[in-house]
Amino acid sequence: DTEVTQTPKHLVMGMTNKKSLKCEQHMGHRAMYWYKQKAKKPPELMFVYSYEKLSINESVPSRFSPECPNSSLLNLHLHALQPEDSALYLCASSQGVRFVTGRETQYFGPGTRLLVL
Amino acid sequence: TQLLEQSPQFLSIQEGENLTVYCNSSSVFSSLQWYRQEPGEGPVLLVTVVTGGEVKKLKRLTFQFGDARKDSSLHITAAQPGDTGLYLCAGPLGGGATNKLIFGTGTLLAVQP
Repeated sequence: DTEVTQTPKHLVMGMTNKKSLKCEQHMGHRAMYWYKQKAKKPPELMFVYSYEKLSINESVPSRFSPECPNSSLLNLHLHALQPEDSALYLCASSQGVRFVTGRETQYFGPGTRLLVL
Repeated sequence: TQLLEQSPQFLSIQEGENLTVYCNSSSVFSSLQWYRQEPGEGPVLLVTVVTGGEVKKLKRLTFQFGDARKDSSLHITAAQPGDTGLYLCAGPLGGGATNKLIFGTGTLLAVQP
């Protein structure tokens, strides 16, 4: 099973709402990621969790709050978002985080399409 | 400054044509990966190239890593509508225990039947 699942598939929220995005993998991967992707653009890394600890935060605004409750689950809590935060939010996982070896593969979920009104 | 520049940015071709997508950098990478992202899906890994000058084939797709490991190309022979998607190269950045993948600027390919 090489599947990463994400819920919900679509989300519309107001700027004062609080919502959460969920991601799950059962491949035994120890690294999980959140990316933001605008239309026809490459994914931009937001956060990296390695062994359930936050190892990379790409200077993401605090209105995005990640959480890794266990090695299979990754959440992204959203609060007071702006319209420019509307995008596809992708979750990914990999066995490890040593991409320089050329042996790591990231598996992506289908994404949550977020619209902030 | 974008570390991995892809060209062309957009490509619309007819079924059966050949095409080449380029991924260029001024930096040396230990490896480069190519992903394809279809509409409504996340990116899917196609190949990883690790040795300068390496050529890998995946059916009608041929990937090459430059001798100096600063660039890579993807050649598609006899393109089919199913090849439509966003093609992304990606390379590792950062030393130490945790690296991250940085993605190229992307090439959006549309193959018309």
